[in-house]
Amino acid sequence: LAKTTQPISMDSYEGQEVNITCSHNNIATNDYITWYQQFPSQGPRFIIQGYKTKVTNEVASLFIPADRKSSTLSLPRVSLSDTAVYYCLVGETYNFNKFYFGSGTKLNVKP
Amino acid sequence: DGGITQSPKYLFRKEGQNVTLSCEQNLNHDAMYWYRQDPGQGLRLIYYSQIVNDFQKGDIAEGYSVSREKKESFPLTVTSAQKNPTAYYLCARRMNTEAFFGQGTRLTVV
Repeated sequence: LAKTTQPISMDSYEGQEVNITCSHNNIATNDYITWYQQFPSQGPRFIIQGYKTKVTNEVASLFIPADRKSSTLSLPRVSLSDTAVYYCLVGETYNFNKFYFGSGTKLNVKP
Repeated sequence: DGGITQSPKYLFRKEGQNVTLSCEQNLNHDAMYWYRQDPGQGLRLIYYSQIVNDFQKGDIAEGYSVSREKKESFPLTVTSAQKNPTAYYLCARRMNTEAFFGQGTRLTVV
């Protein structure tokens, strides 16, 4: 499984765009990149998933460069309620026998 | 609840006692997982099961046991052999490439 590296924490202000980068130098050809969000005292929940280039949904965008050795989760115009821990996971689409969550990035949104 | 229910939400036990945490899913999915989370840390995989009557150890299985007698149920027993059992325990089910988590059980051993 590809190891991922993320910043431990980030600060932002309401209304700003936040970009969280994940490094995954050993990503394999069949691996997809998935991001989860976790609020205190809750389980993580799926945000977005992608394989290459750009993916966008109603919550976030995911940017993946051509070499796929990193990815960036982009949260547009964050609010206080976006304060959470964000995890980057890498693994094969249909071989997700193990979901490995690293330490994640603690995003703190300030008023 | 994402189709997965954990109970109880809070659990207190005396040191040396075994305790079983419940995890039930109602969506007929095969894969289920147990994670442990300590304060300020990420999730660590304890056990997972792909099908009934089969389960695999994760990274920190020592001191824990599981069973998978029915597809909808995947209980976790924290045994007295677990050196530091106080933690937040999360159960998940997998549908395709997504994991759906329960609300968790916060276990405190005194």
